[in-house]
Amino acid sequence: GENVEQHPSTLSVQEGDSAVIKCTYSDSASNYFPWYKQELGKGPQLIIDIRSNVGEKKDQRIAVTLNKTAKHFSLHITETQPEDSAVYFCAASETGGFKTIFGAGTRLFVKA
Amino acid sequence: NAGVMQNPRHLVRRRGQEARLRCSPMKGHSHVYWYRQLPEEGLKFMVYLQKENIIDESGMPKERFSAEFPKEGPSILRIQQVVRGDSAAYFCASSRLTDSANVLTFGAGSRLTVL
Repeated sequence: GENVEQHPSTLSVQEGDSAVIKCTYSDSASNYFPWYKQELGKGPQLIIDIRSNVGEKKDQRIAVTLNKTAKHFSLHITETQPEDSAVYFCAASETGGFKTIFGAGTRLFVKA
Repeated sequence: NAGVMQNPRHLVRRRGQEARLRCSPMKGHSHVYWYRQLPEEGLKFMVYLQKENIIDESGMPKERFSAEFPKEGPSILRIQQVVRGDSAAYFCASSRLTDSANVLTFGAGSRLTVL
């Protein structure tokens, strides 16, 4: 089955700097890659996703890149703000499939 | 649109008691998923259900755990004879039937503490 690995487990950046979180997946059939943000005491919220027919997607300060050949994808947050502090999860699933497999999460601290 | 509703938000049980967690999916969503999150860990898939059917329960422990999604009412995750290791946050997610990507919407979670 699918296995998703996520690095780093903890990331601390200064406000205004960029943050990058990287994930790899094992199942070449996976073609949908969402990213979720989980704030303390809350459920994960989808923040951006990418499908395998594109290599990059951007939404304001966040962007995702996908390398299908290498089976890795990354989340980039620019101009970080304290409110970006949260746990971020990458995930992988197959179009038409139901099982979404999550990485272990990255705890991001943005220092003011 | 109230989103995915889970209750209770917090549940305390003594060892050996039963825990029942409920989840009402988002309006228009016919698929329900349960995930477990241990402290400081990621989300582990437990079970996927459609109305009156368990589609995949490969992530659920074989004993003491069961799930249902009846024709009427919320989905229920039931844990019998709870042990301390069951203490975790249990998240429910729902999605719409689609041929496209399976976009999950999560509830706020139910946090189970076993004393």
